Amino acid sequence: QKEVEQNSGPLSVPEGAIASLNCTYSDRVSQSFFWYRQYSGKSPELIMSIYSNGDKEDGRFTAQLNKASQYVSLLIRDSQPSDSATYLCAVNMEEGGGGADGLTFGKGTHLIIQP
Amino acid sequence: EAGVTQFPSHSVIEKGQTVTLRCDPISGHDNLYWYRRVMGKEIKFLLHFVKESKQDESGMPNNRFLAERTGGTYSTLKVQPAELEDSGVYFCASSHATGGFYEQYFGPGTRLTVT
Repeated sequence: QKEVEQNSGPLSVPEGAIASLNCTYSDRVSQSFFWYRQYSGKSPELIMSIYSNGDKEDGRFTAQLNKASQYVSLLIRDSQPSDSATYLCAVNMEEGGGGADGLTFGKGTHLIIQP
Repeated sequence: EAGVTQFPSHSVIEKGQTVTLRCDPISGHDNLYWYRRVMGKEIKFLLHFVKESKQDESGMPNNRFLAERTGGTYSTLKVQPAELEDSGVYFCASSHATGGFYEQYFGPGTRLTVT
């Protein structure tokens, strides 16, 4: 069964520090990887996408992908209280798919940034 | 650019009744997806349209669920007859999915409560 695993948390990080969120996935053929942020009662908001091994940086966010280890992570630098939310890891796991298939989501990690 | 919109935002119906949810994707997005989040569980993929065609409906729970996308624009998801276990938040997402980029953008969701 295709799965995406995340530590549910809560992960508590002091303001200004680096928050590190991790995700593992079960299917080696996975092609596309996404991080979404979800505030309570709201819809998922896309914050990062990554398609190839290595690091991808966007502002305070860095996504890291290691396909050999089936591992993807999100780093948030200079964490702010407004970063407090649930972070969802989502993976496109369809073999042979063009990358536009439905996503498999993890349950999310609840991040708390302490002022 | 307007985002994905969904209607209604909330719906409360009795078991056995019919409900129809609507999703308007981002203009120009050929790919449209339906997802569902049941309380305490991760977001689950239901189906994927490319224009008006059903590309993948492997996540549809049973034949009480019917999705349509006539004309390749907005989509509807009908539940008939509704059961208690259908309660949850139904999200719609859309994607341009060209040029090797497959980011999906989510609508605000419809919270369905079946009593």
